[in-house]
Amino acid sequence: DGGITQSPKYLFRKEGQNVTLSCEQNLNHDAMYWYRQDPGQGLRLIYYSQIVNDFQKGDIAEGYSVSREKKESFPLTVTSAQKNPTAFYLCASSIDKGRGYGQETQYFGPGTRLLVL
Amino acid sequence: AQSVAQPEDQVNVAEGNPLTVKCTYSVSGNPYLFWYVQYPNRGLQFLLKYITGDNLVKGSYGFEAEFNKSQTSFHLKKPSALVSDSALYFCAVRDWGFGNEKLTFGTGTRLTIIP
Repeated sequence: DGGITQSPKYLFRKEGQNVTLSCEQNLNHDAMYWYRQDPGQGLRLIYYSQIVNDFQKGDIAEGYSVSREKKESFPLTVTSAQKNPTAFYLCASSIDKGRGYGQETQYFGPGTRLLVL
Repeated sequence: AQSVAQPEDQVNVAEGNPLTVKCTYSVSGNPYLFWYVQYPNRGLQFLLKYITGDNLVKGSYGFEAEFNKSQTSFHLKKPSALVSDSALYFCAVRDWGFGNEKLTFGTGTRLTIIP
């Protein structure tokens, strides 16, 4: 988990509320990722970013939004449009040598557990 | 399209015995393969990866994995299990190719080491 921090550890969302999960890294990594983990389903990619001010949708982007204003930070907002937000959210980062390279290891933060009140 | 399968949801092994956690993959080109471990309420920790070269890859905590291209497998192994190895293990794959930045994860295998 070293080098990547996520906060808060637990987050409670009321119906209709938007909440933002924080992810910060001090590894000087270019690429950052957000995953959602549900029991028995493994990890599913929500959004990823390879460079500041640019990001792409993953497999389950609906109901989520992100920003990448700084290299170190990649916050995830869970909007009210996400009807089933209860899950464990994991942020990861990796060096990005550019397209065509896929061997870089992704390093993960400690996660945020989101619960709905 | 790339995919990975972990056929066993749960594996139980007696302490001191060898352990194997299975993983098979499907890619259209050459695979990059990874193993991660997750302890309760924690993030994933990187164990090892296969990029190219020697089919036997050694990683952290005494784990190793064998890449088998003909069987499209990348099983995780350890010669002697410890109780502290009990955790959730994930296999992941990325197909080499321009524009493919996604890492696909398996559904995980829960490993329990019995004292």
